[in-house]
Amino acid sequence: DTAVSQTPKYLVTQMGNDKSIKCEQNLGHDTMYWYKQDSKKFLKIMFSYNNKELIINETVPNRFSPKSPDKAHLNLHINSLELGDSAVYFCASSPRGTGVSYEQYFGPGTRLTVT
Amino acid sequence: RKEVEQDPGPFNVPEGATVAFNCTYSNSASQSFFWYRQDCRKEPKLLMSVYSSGNEDGRFTAQLNRASQYISLLIRDSKLSDSATYLCVVNIRNGDYKLSFGAGTTVTVRA
Repeated sequence: DTAVSQTPKYLVTQMGNDKSIKCEQNLGHDTMYWYKQDSKKFLKIMFSYNNKELIINETVPNRFSPKSPDKAHLNLHINSLELGDSAVYFCASSPRGTGVSYEQYFGPGTRLTVT
Repeated sequence: RKEVEQDPGPFNVPEGATVAFNCTYSNSASQSFFWYRQDCRKEPKLLMSVYSSGNEDGRFTAQLNRASQYISLLIRDSKLSDSATYLCVVNIRNGDYKLSFGAGTTVTVRA
């Protein structure tokens, strides 16, 4: 059984388009995250949700909007895609997200290419 | 200054060798430390947590030096399957806690 799943795995799209990436976890975790890994391999947190509530919102353009319909799902919608958005986007989940850092389980990643 | 800094490598070592590398972190209030492993074009996976007294997991030994703010990972008796990028991860408090990842140290084990 896949613990953290993401769709799609690959996404190629043109500048200016709007796209969404979906994430689901079946681990029963309370906290979910979105990370961006760019070509330099830095993994940077974008957002974190704890029980559907936004708790971390890093300096991310407001073209990126996360949505958590329930604690097992965290989707990422991106408006007006730009070339610089090309990266691998990882979803992750952990048992807790506040106060103490627990192990995070990552999804397989979505490789986004904007042309 | 970056929150977590690592020597990117690559460290090219023969099978059976020992390889060790460090990472430094800037936030002295950090409380949780981890090493993650990331294979090419795959997601990061937890290798081991790092405890204050140092800890071992099979061929892997992690050490924490709070005074100098660095963490180390040592791999003994390297296997071909140890070839990967090793990410140093530290929790940072900025309002709430979050994990800050280093850019990774690449290790290649050759036959």
